[in-house]
Amino acid sequence: LAKTTQPISMDSYEGQEVNITCSHNNIATNDYITWYQQFPSQGPRFIIQGYKTKVTNEVASLFIPADRKSSTLSLPRVSLSDTAVYYCLVGEGYALNFGKGTSLLVTP
Amino acid sequence: GAGVSQTPSNKVTEKGKYVELRCDPISGHTALYWYRQSLGQGPEFLIYFQGTGAADDSGLPNDRFFAVRPEGSVSTLKIQRTERGDSAVYLCASSLNPASGGPNTGELFFGEGSRLTVL
Repeated sequence: LAKTTQPISMDSYEGQEVNITCSHNNIATNDYITWYQQFPSQGPRFIIQGYKTKVTNEVASLFIPADRKSSTLSLPRVSLSDTAVYYCLVGEGYALNFGKGTSLLVTP
Repeated sequence: GAGVSQTPSNKVTEKGKYVELRCDPISGHTALYWYRQSLGQGPEFLIYFQGTGAADDSGLPNDRFFAVRPEGSVSTLKIQRTERGDSAVYLCASSLNPASGGPNTGELFFGEGSRLTVL
């Protein structure tokens, strides 16, 4: 499994764009990059998944450079309810390493 | 509800006791996963079922842990002779697209977990 490195914590104000970068230098050819969000006392929730270039859905964008050794989750105009832990996962299957994630705090 | 259901939500037991945790996946999801999450850590993979069979149990920490899914739907995680170090939140997830060794395009849907406390 590819090892991932992401910041332990980040702070943002409401309405700002937040970018969380994840490093995964030893990503394998078949590996996908998946991001999950977790609120306290809840299970993780899928945000977005990509393989290369850019993926966008209704809640986030995922930017993946050509070498795929990193990825950036972009959350546009965050609100207080986006305060959560965000996990970057890299792998081709189910036994994904969640790591410690990035704890995002959004304040007014 | 249409989500993954886990019971009990909380379980307090004494060291040495036997515990069962139940997971009811989303209807139609053939793949089921158990994860364990300790305080301040991300979820850690335990076991994966495809249908009734355990396709991968490499994450089970030792032989005190066992899981079954006899009819390909509900799953039970069983922990024998519990230890204080087993205290954690046990998360169950299900998905439509099981990992097949190829590119993973499957989204995992997680339940809210069962918090186990071993005194």
